[in-house]
Amino acid sequence: GESVGLHLPTLSVQEGDNSIINCAYSNSASDYFIWYKQESGKGPQFIIDIRSNMDKRQGQRVTVLLNKTVKHLSLQIAATQPGDSAVYFCAESMDTGRRALTFGSGTRLQVQP
Amino acid sequence: NAGVMQNPRHLVRRRGQEARLRCSPMKGHSHVYWYRQLPEEGLKFMVYLQKENIIDESGMPKERFSAEFPKEGPSILRIQQVVRGDSAAYFCASSPPSGVEQYFGPGTRLTVT
Repeated sequence: GESVGLHLPTLSVQEGDNSIINCAYSNSASDYFIWYKQESGKGPQFIIDIRSNMDKRQGQRVTVLLNKTVKHLSLQIAATQPGDSAVYFCAESMDTGRRALTFGSGTRLQVQP
Repeated sequence: NAGVMQNPRHLVRRRGQEARLRCSPMKGHSHVYWYRQLPEEGLKFMVYLQKENIIDESGMPKERFSAEFPKEGPSILRIQQVVRGDSAAYFCASSPPSGVEQYFGPGTRLTVT
């Protein structure tokens, strides 16, 4: 069945360092991937997305990498700040009309000052 | 441009009562999705609706749960005869007709006593 999972449940980094959050997916038919940030008591906040016809996409301080060969997705955050502390979820979808997102279990990012 | 609105933010119901959760999508968005999140877990898809149509309800429990998105007014997720296992955060997301990006509301935290 479809599943999206994360390698590390908690990641602790020093302020100013770069962070890398990883995600593995199992549905090779997925062609759309998204990273969300969720702070305590709030809804998921869209960070960045990528389609399967790309292997890299950059935003402001964030980069998403997609490796379709090994079905792996990563989120890189440059110069991590205390405000980046949150739980990060990857999600996948098949953009064929179904559009339901399958979420991973999440990685908690803790930024140490 | 207001984001996705959900109300109430917190809802307490006794076992056997009904819970009604409301979601107003972003302006111009005609697609609505409902997800459920248990503590320390990822979001689980429940249902995908467009105006007056249920597109995908594959994640909805077979009994007690229903959803609608009428021509006028917010989308409603209805849970009849609530049980303690229904306690969770319920998130609504919306997307525009031509896009797949889903933007989430702040959620409704349902507690069943």
